[in-house]
Amino acid sequence: QVQLKESGPGLVQPSQTLSLTCTVAGFSLTSYNVHWVRQPPGKGLEWMGVIWNTGGTRYNSALKSRLSISKDTSKSQVFLKMNSLQTEDTATYYCARERLNYGGYSGFAYWGQGTLVTVSS
Amino acid sequence: EIVLTQSPTTIAASPGEKVTITCRASSSVSYMYWYQQKSGASPKLWIYDTSKLASGVPNRFSGSGSGTSYSLTINTMETEDAATYYCQQWSSTPLTFGSGTKLEIK
Repeated sequence: QVQLKESGPGLVQPSQTLSLTCTVAGFSLTSYNVHWVRQPPGKGLEWMGVIWNTGGTRYNSALKSRLSISKDTSKSQVFLKMNSLQTEDTATYYCARERLNYGGYSGFAYWGQGTLVTVSS
Repeated sequence: EIVLTQSPTTIAASPGEKVTITCRASSSVSYMYWYQQKSGASPKLWIYDTSKLASGVPNRFSGSGSGTSYSLTINTMETEDAATYYCQQWSSTPLTFGSGTKLEIK
């Protein structure tokens, strides 16, 4: 059974660094790409970036200078780090897995439950 | 960046009514993806590759379109369909989402 679960601090101070972990089960990170998507309260979805099954990454250029995604395949964990947080970074952060591991992008068929991160002093 | 514009922003429909949500892309995309999100829940993949229903999606839903114009249609609205629907593309990086269409029951 495919599962993804985000974890991390619920509260981060402005200018600090956010660190989130996505722990997955039911599939291997060497076979599937995992993405991060965030959603400010009451607003829409924003794609943040992806870590490929090969370990390469691609980021949304709007966040690229602040964002880093990595993984530990042996622990089935994907990590997100974003620095210089501001209040507008307050959002629910989701990790999501693509539907297939072949044939190109196929949609996000599996999502974590999301974790709400509030940026406030 | 490809901007996806959804319309309407909000729509109220009665049970049994036909509903169409449109998504227009600022540049041509190869495929469109649709997600359903209910309050407090994670999004769910609803339609992939423009017209294919994700697992468990009722066949009253359909998707169509090409180029810069796509749509999601509900043939006969049911109360459980009330949710926010987002379109999404990845023909061009960054992957982008539409701003969402909130579908309510009348």
